[in-house]
Amino acid sequence: SQQGEEDPQALSIQEGENATMNCSYKTSINNLQWYRQNSGRGLVHLILIRSNEREKHSGRLRVTLDTSKKSSSLLITASRAADTASYFCATVLTGANNLFFGTGTRLTVIP
Amino acid sequence: DADVTQTPRNRITKTGKRIMLECSQTKGHDRMYWYRQDPGLGLRLIYYSFDVKDINKGEISDGYSVSRQAQAKFSLSLESAIPNQTALYFCATSTGVVAGGRDTQYFGPGTRLTVL
Repeated sequence: SQQGEEDPQALSIQEGENATMNCSYKTSINNLQWYRQNSGRGLVHLILIRSNEREKHSGRLRVTLDTSKKSSSLLITASRAADTASYFCATVLTGANNLFFGTGTRLTVIP
Repeated sequence: DADVTQTPRNRITKTGKRIMLECSQTKGHDRMYWYRQDPGLGLRLIYYSFDVKDINKGEISDGYSVSRQAQAKFSLSLESAIPNQTALYFCATSTGVVAGGRDTQYFGPGTRLTVL
């Protein structure tokens, strides 16, 4: 079964708006990562947040982590058409070595 | 040049055929992974290898086998392909440095496999 689930499954916004997608997971984690996938291509790592961190920024990306709620959110500010892609959260479970991927959010940014 | 390459990029085969997908990396990473991606299911781990002598089953290893020929090469085989193995397959690498949260993964471009 999937460790993480993203919400919403699909999101469509206008260029310049902010996009927020959420990830919920089931068990204790070491860290949580967000990846981006352009259609049919390999995933690209965006940002990693450790279990003892609550918020992290990278350019137009802002990630929050609430371990008490077992959830994370990814905010993309001032979206661009080039941000159109699928976004996946992935968790490294406590004591484990592998990533468990969520089901992804498909983001469409309309020019 | 790409750091993680996969061959072939596309493959159509028939039920019962043996298929090998290959992955090579120039990143110098010890850890390598094989995933499959199906629509709506995200990525699922098939096999992973932490070094040349270490091979581990992932979430969905049945029907697959792997070979780690060298630090830079990790192959995935379908001994007798079946239609429900039609999927997008990704190879990935990582440094394995979990401490400090640096163990992110680097993905190849994927192989689209169709089993008829």
